[in-house]
Amino acid sequence: ILNVEQSPQSLHVQEGDSTNFTCSFPSSNFYALHWYRWETAKSPEALFVMTLNGDEKKKGRISATLNTKEGYSYLYIKGSQPEDSATYLCASNYNFGNEKLTFGTGTRLTIIP
Amino acid sequence: NAGVTQTPKFQVLKTGQSMTLQCAQDMNHEYMSWYRQDPGMGLRLIHYSVGAGITDQGEVPNGYNVSRSTTEDFPLRLLSAAPSQTSVYFCASRRIDSPLHFGNGTRLTVT
Repeated sequence: ILNVEQSPQSLHVQEGDSTNFTCSFPSSNFYALHWYRWETAKSPEALFVMTLNGDEKKKGRISATLNTKEGYSYLYIKGSQPEDSATYLCASNYNFGNEKLTFGTGTRLTIIP
Repeated sequence: NAGVTQTPKFQVLKTGQSMTLQCAQDMNHEYMSWYRQDPGMGLRLIHYSVGAGITDQGEVPNGYNVSRSTTEDFPLRLLSAAPSQTSVYFCASRRIDSPLHFGNGTRLTVT
């Protein structure tokens, strides 16, 4: 069983501040890293899928980076808004053709108005 | 385009009962999977399928069966429900190398 770890477990951020959190994963045989946003009472929604070392992706105020050599990814949120309150999940899979995605336990972000 | 449709939304079972959670997708995705969500545990993979007629076990397969007779449908069967199977279940699908699309979830309680 692969170990995907996320930190911190939870985070409170003042509206307007920027924040970031981490996803750590085993780097050997790495194939892809996914980020999802999960609002309470809804289903997870995809943010990014990244595969290449040094990849950087952006969607509005949210961006992510990937370091496959050291096994980590950062998710950044610039100028936090109340609607950013959610749990952010990362997941990784290994070896081309292996479709098993292993999820971390998530970072629960609360934006304080 | 309905996406991933899961039924039922809620279910209460007694220990020993059996039931099937339904999952259907209309996006012609090759890959389908079932996850369970428990507090503090993250999403754990139960079973998955990379195409019709092909299924494989995930991290926590015991007590569950699946089949994939068509590309669209991927039902999850609980053969003899146990309290340890109380959880929220998510079906998800995707094209290879693309992100997962999740259903709305099924909240199952086994008493």
